[in-house]
Amino acid sequence: GENVEQHPSTLSVQEGDSAVIKCTYSDSASNYFPWYKQELGKRPQLIIDIRSNVGEKKDQRIAVTLNKTAKHFSLHITETQPEDSAVYFCAASLGGANSKLTFGKGITLSVRP
Amino acid sequence: DAGVIQSPRHEVTEMGQEVTLRCKPISGHDYLFWYRQTMMRGLELLIYFNNNVPIDDSGMPEDRFSAKMPNASFSTLKIQPSEPRDSAVYFCASSLVGFRNTEAFFGQGTRLTVV
Repeated sequence: GENVEQHPSTLSVQEGDSAVIKCTYSDSASNYFPWYKQELGKRPQLIIDIRSNVGEKKDQRIAVTLNKTAKHFSLHITETQPEDSAVYFCAASLGGANSKLTFGKGITLSVRP
Repeated sequence: DAGVIQSPRHEVTEMGQEVTLRCKPISGHDYLFWYRQTMMRGLELLIYFNNNVPIDDSGMPEDRFSAKMPNASFSTLKIQPSEPRDSAVYFCASSLVGFRNTEAFFGQGTRLTVV
C-alpha cells in the first residue's frame, strides 16, 4: 500500500520568513496530493491540494509543488505569520473511486514572532 | 450543513469496558473514514466505507475494534474490550468523491482516554 513520509517532524521559522515542508510517497499510481492543517485541539482542514497533471499550484501565501518522477511534493508558505503555527499533514490518494487518503505523520511548524 | 458530527467529544473509560464512538457524515457524501490520531503514529486510517459498505478495514488494529454503517447518515466505531493503548483522538471524515471533489471533511474528533 501507499506509504507517505514527512521530514523533519518539527520546523521553526522566524515570522516573515518562508517555510518549506516536504513529503515523499511510494505508490507511483497516486494522483491526488492534499495538504491539511491542524491547529492545536482542532480538526484537520484542507488548505491546498494538487493533482498529478500539474506541477505547481498557488493560493495566496501558500503553494504546492509536485515532482512525480521523484515521488515527492512540497508545501511552501511565504511571509509566515504566527497563525501559521500548526501541524501540517500531507497525504496521497489514488483518487476517483479509491479515495483512501494515506497521511504522513505530520510536521509541527512553529512561527516565532 | 453542520459538517461532520462526532459524539461524544470526550470519553473516559476504564480498561475492559466497551466504548462506542458515533459519527454523522455530511449529507450526500458517499465515503466515510475513521482515523485514529496519536503522537507516535500520526493519523492512521482504520476503516472506510463507500455507500455504507466497508471497503478497506486493513487498518483496524485488532478484533477488539469493529465499525458499522447501518445507513448513509450514521456510523459507529466500537472497541470491546478497551485497553489503555487505545487512548487517542478518533476522527471521522466524509467526502463526496468525484475527480474534482476528493476533499475529506473531518469531524471535531473524540478524545478517548482508557484508564
